[in-house]
Amino acid sequence: SAVISQKPSRDICQRGTSLTIQCQVDSQVTMMFWYRQQPGQSLTLIATANQGSEATYESGFVIDKFPISRPNLTFSTLTVSNMSPEDSSIYLCSVDGGRLETQYFGPGTRLLVL
Amino acid sequence: QKEVEQNSGPLSVPEGAIASLNCTYSDRVSQSFFWYRQYSGKSPELIMSIYSNGDKEDGRFTAQLNKASQYVSLLIRDSQPSDSATYLCAVKGGGTSYGKLTFGQGTILTVHP
Repeated sequence: SAVISQKPSRDICQRGTSLTIQCQVDSQVTMMFWYRQQPGQSLTLIATANQGSEATYESGFVIDKFPISRPNLTFSTLTVSNMSPEDSSIYLCSVDGGRLETQYFGPGTRLLVL
Repeated sequence: QKEVEQNSGPLSVPEGAIASLNCTYSDRVSQSFFWYRQYSGKSPELIMSIYSNGDKEDGRFTAQLNKASQYVSLLIRDSQPSDSATYLCAVKGGGTSYGKLTFGQGTILTVHP
């Protein structure tokens, strides 16, 4: 399985500010995703990070709020913009190798917005 | 309407018993099914994947898939206190949802000594 790292692992931010989360994989992967896990909830897909093109967002998530970059096959960033306390969540990146292959998750970034 | 539903919890079983976790899904074109375990404060950890109808066994874990009934389950035999965690059922989409995982709401399992 791929080794995935995320930075930062946790942060406390003030409302109105932005935070960029980095996801690094130790091998080239086809698909990368970003998920959100709100307190006490399951995981919700935010977007698919596409290499060399704009991310594909799920319903309820927009690029202005969650801009995503994927400059190559091993790295992606997610920015949480103009944060409010409702953005307090765990943000997870995941990687996937294909149709039947397994999806693995990074360690997550725990965000608290005050 | 939720696309992936898990049996409501929390589920509590005594040590050594069998824990049974169930999941139904709505997308008939789904082809890949996963069970993740999540300890408090940690990210999800894959414990089982299943793609074909029938049973798949790995140690104390058995996954069962019935595509006709759109049903997938996880059995944990000889449950241990270390199995206490939230178990997440995930379904990988097909078609326009290719590659994307949809998660159930999770079932909290507690194994008591």
